[in-house]
Amino acid sequence: GQQLNQSPQSMFIQEGEDVSMNCTSSSIFNTWLWYKQEPGEGPVLLIALYKAGELTSNGRLTAQFGITRKDSFLNISASIPSDVGIYFCAGQLSGATNKLIFGTGTLLAVQP
Amino acid sequence: SAVISQKPSRDICQRGTSLTIQCQVDSQVTMMFWYRQQPGQSLTLIATANQGSEATYESGFVIDKFPISRPNLTFSTLTVSNMSPEDSSIYLCSVAEVNEQYFGPGTRLTVT
Repeated sequence: GQQLNQSPQSMFIQEGEDVSMNCTSSSIFNTWLWYKQEPGEGPVLLIALYKAGELTSNGRLTAQFGITRKDSFLNISASIPSDVGIYFCAGQLSGATNKLIFGTGTLLAVQP
Repeated sequence: SAVISQKPSRDICQRGTSLTIQCQVDSQVTMMFWYRQQPGQSLTLIATANQGSEATYESGFVIDKFPISRPNLTFSTLTVSNMSPEDSSIYLCSVAEVNEQYFGPGTRLTVT
C-alpha cells in the first residue's frame, strides 16, 4: 500500500534534547495526524492538524501542517525517557472518507 | 475518545487454520477500519467495515482471505483465513470520530 516518506528512520538522543521529524508526500492531504506507538500497544493519537500552515501544541509536542499541504513536522522539546517509542505520521487524502495513509515511522530512543 | 477493545490480544495458530478477531467499541461509531502491521513495519489499511453492507477492501486485500462482519455500530470482526506464516502481523481496528482516528490495542498473530 501507499506510504508517506518519514524521516529520520530512527533517532538515538540524550534526555533533555529536542527532537524533530517530518513527513513528506507527493499528494495533497486534508488532515495530518501524528501517533505514538509503544511496544505491545496500538498507536495513540498525539496531535491532529486540519489547515495548511496550522501549528498545534500538546505539552512538549508541537506539530505543523505544511503550507503546501504535502508535508508535516513534529517537534518534541526537552525529551524524557518515556518519549521512547515509534512515531507515525498519517495523512488523510482529499475526498477519501477518513482513510489514512501512514508514514514509515520514526523510532525514538532516549538515553537517561 | 471512544474506548476500543480487541480479542484475542495475541494468538499462535497453525498454518491453514482461520482466526476471527473481535473489535468492540464503547459507543456507536459510523466508520470502523481494519489495519495490518507487519513486523517492524508501518500500518496498512485492509478494509473499511461498513455497517449493514459488505466491507470495502483496499488494493491487495480480498474478502475470501479477510472476511469482515459489522453487525452493528459498536462491533466488528475480522477473520484471517487459511493462514500462512506471512500472515503473522499485528491486526488493529480503528474508529473515526470526525477527522480523527483512534486505534484498539491490536491482536498479535503468529502463524507457525
